Amino acid sequence: QLQLQESGPGLVKPWETLSLTCTVSGDSISSGSYYWGWIRQPRGKGLEWIGSITSGGDTYNNPSLKSRVTMSVATSKNQLSLKLSSVTAADTAVYYCARASPGHCGGGSCYGYWGQGTLVTVSS
Amino acid sequence: IVLTQSPGTLSLSPGEGATLSCRASQSVNTYLAWYQQKPGQAPRLLIYEASNRATGIPVRFSGSGSGTDFTLTISSLEPEDSAVYYCQQRRDWPITFGQGTRLEIK
Repeated sequence: QLQLQESGPGLVKPWETLSLTCTVSGDSISSGSYYWGWIRQPRGKGLEWIGSITSGGDTYNNPSLKSRVTMSVATSKNQLSLKLSSVTAADTAVYYCARASPGHCGGGSCYGYWGQGTLVTVSS
Repeated sequence: IVLTQSPGTLSLSPGEGATLSCRASQSVNTYLAWYQQKPGQAPRLLIYEASNRATGIPVRFSGSGSGTDFTLTISSLEPEDSAVYYCQQRRDWPITFGQGTRLEIK
């Protein structure tokens, strides 16, 4: 059973860079052809897709976040990372990493596996 | 692609049926998924590719539609179905979610 666990600082100062890690267990990031996704959710609001990355390192970002997003894969550590630069209060949210389940969506971006989410607050 | 869900809130009694709608601003073929989210929890995938139930999802959850109009139907509601439901398209980048429908069980 695949498990995802987000981690990172819970508090980030405005205009600094938010850095999160998603640790994957129960399967190798390199196995199969999957799109790994990052999604966030401000408190009391809906879901916003941040971006996706393949195990080969191909990335797809949400244009609404302009060029502030950097995603990477560390296959040796079985981890994904997300960096969001120049954060403001509008970036305060629960951040999730996610992946499709085997046999669903051809490994594409429908998310059967989710981490528990990590709350990041942007405040001075 | 903008996804618009309706209604915003639905209040129904146990045993009743629920119909939730998701309309896309342009065709997404059948690249549409539905999620259920309860307070304090991550979303749970219910339906993928418009009409396929995800692993372990009860048969009372069903999805239909293609192109721009989609429906999530929950037959015979149970108290634990109280949640927010989101649709999501993966036809084009950027992936987008609907704004959600809140389902309340009386």
